[in-house]
Amino acid sequence: EPEVTQTPSHQVTQMGQEVILRCVPISNHLYFYWYRQILGQKVEFLVSFYNNEISEKSEIFDDQFSVERPDGSNFTLKIRSTKLEDSAMYFCASSEVPSDSDNGYTFGSGTRLTVV
Amino acid sequence: KNQVEQSPQSLIILEGKNCTLQCNYTVSPFSNLRWYKQDTGRGPVSLTIMTFSENTKSNGRYTATLDADTKQSSLHITASQLSDSASYICVVSLGGYNKLIFGAGTRLAVHP
Repeated sequence: EPEVTQTPSHQVTQMGQEVILRCVPISNHLYFYWYRQILGQKVEFLVSFYNNEISEKSEIFDDQFSVERPDGSNFTLKIRSTKLEDSAMYFCASSEVPSDSDNGYTFGSGTRLTVV
Repeated sequence: KNQVEQSPQSLIILEGKNCTLQCNYTVSPFSNLRWYKQDTGRGPVSLTIMTFSENTKSNGRYTATLDADTKQSSLHITASQLSDSASYICVVSLGGYNKLIFGAGTRLAVHP
């Protein structure tokens, strides 16, 4: 079964450093997403991306965050200057069609980001 | 405010027993409602998805119901197995916006 692949599975970084989280969505999917889950809390939407641009973003997704699809397969989330409160599990997801109608919305296994 | 509330927060049952998890939502505009299973440290995995017009949807031992009038959903698990131990998350898709709104989940523990 097709998978969304995320790397690394765990990243530790110092406060103030930049991190890039990487995702390889399912190959025929056109919509890409990032979500985060702070330990013990709900999964929260960060951003959706389609046709090389952001289609939706939450209030969490401020200027320190950016997303990019640098080539035909990767989808990345960059956090410019990490803060302690950025420590969370970050999930990438992809879908063939928008979430209004999709039954193939697939999540990756996540990257656990720890900011020290 | 768009919210998804789940109950109970956690549940312990014996292997072989049935259980029902509840979800209430105040999401508008509503597009569809999904139930996901999330193992610790893993990504959510889809169990069912229901649109406004669907009342029930089954996936093996999982049966979800939806009452769009009262904005309630339930997930019934039949003949539980040890591998059912996980968090079960109710998720609503916000109509016209390409994003999902998650509940906090119910942590289910199945004991032998």
